[in-house]
Amino acid sequence: AIQLTQSPSSLSASVGDRVTITCRASQGISSALAWHQQIPGKPPTLLIYDASTLKSGVPSRFSGSGSGTDFTLTISNLQPEDFATYFCQQFNNYPLTFGPGTKVDIK
Amino acid sequence: QLQLQESGPGLVKPSETLSLTCTVSGGSVKTTSYYWGWFRQPPGKELEWIGTIHYSGSTYYNPSLERRVIISLDSSKDQFSLSLSSVTAADAALYYCARSYGYIDSWGQGTLVGVS
Repeated sequence: AIQLTQSPSSLSASVGDRVTITCRASQGISSALAWHQQIPGKPPTLLIYDASTLKSGVPSRFSGSGSGTDFTLTISNLQPEDFATYFCQQFNNYPLTFGPGTKVDIK
Repeated sequence: QLQLQESGPGLVKPSETLSLTCTVSGGSVKTTSYYWGWFRQPPGKELEWIGTIHYSGSTYYNPSLERRVIISLDSSKDQFSLSLSSVTAADAALYYCARSYGYIDSWGQGTLVGVS
């Protein structure tokens, strides 16, 4: 199974900050990577798929990049509603696998 | 707008079978474009894929669970179901159903299942 690691596991940031989260795959997955946001007590929601395609309706301050084994999620101009946990998901191979998550909280 | 809702017992006895159903509304499972899957998240742990079914009847299971898992689809009711046998405490988790196109694009609200 393809393992996904994320860094950092948590970070503290302020409103207006630029935040970057990294996801690394244990083997190449082309661009078959998605990013999800999870607010405590709520189900995850899709932000980005195919590594860099923003889901319709997701604010443009979210962006994704990367291919192969290294990927990043960037949130520019962090907003109060962005404080949440973010995790990556690969869909290049079964079994589908997820990263452990990065918790973004308020500094 | 597509909605998915999990239903089923919140508590299962050890060694028994966990059964959950996902009801799809605002869309239909009778589509060849998407897959329908089950996922779970034990408290404090990361998400785990359980398995996926396609309208064609094709199923895909996590090797770590496939001896105990059956996923089925009832297109007449726009539902799909999960059956997980011989449960232990390790199966206690928040269970989600979801629609996927490889990536998961819609999640259910989740249902918490305990084992005791």
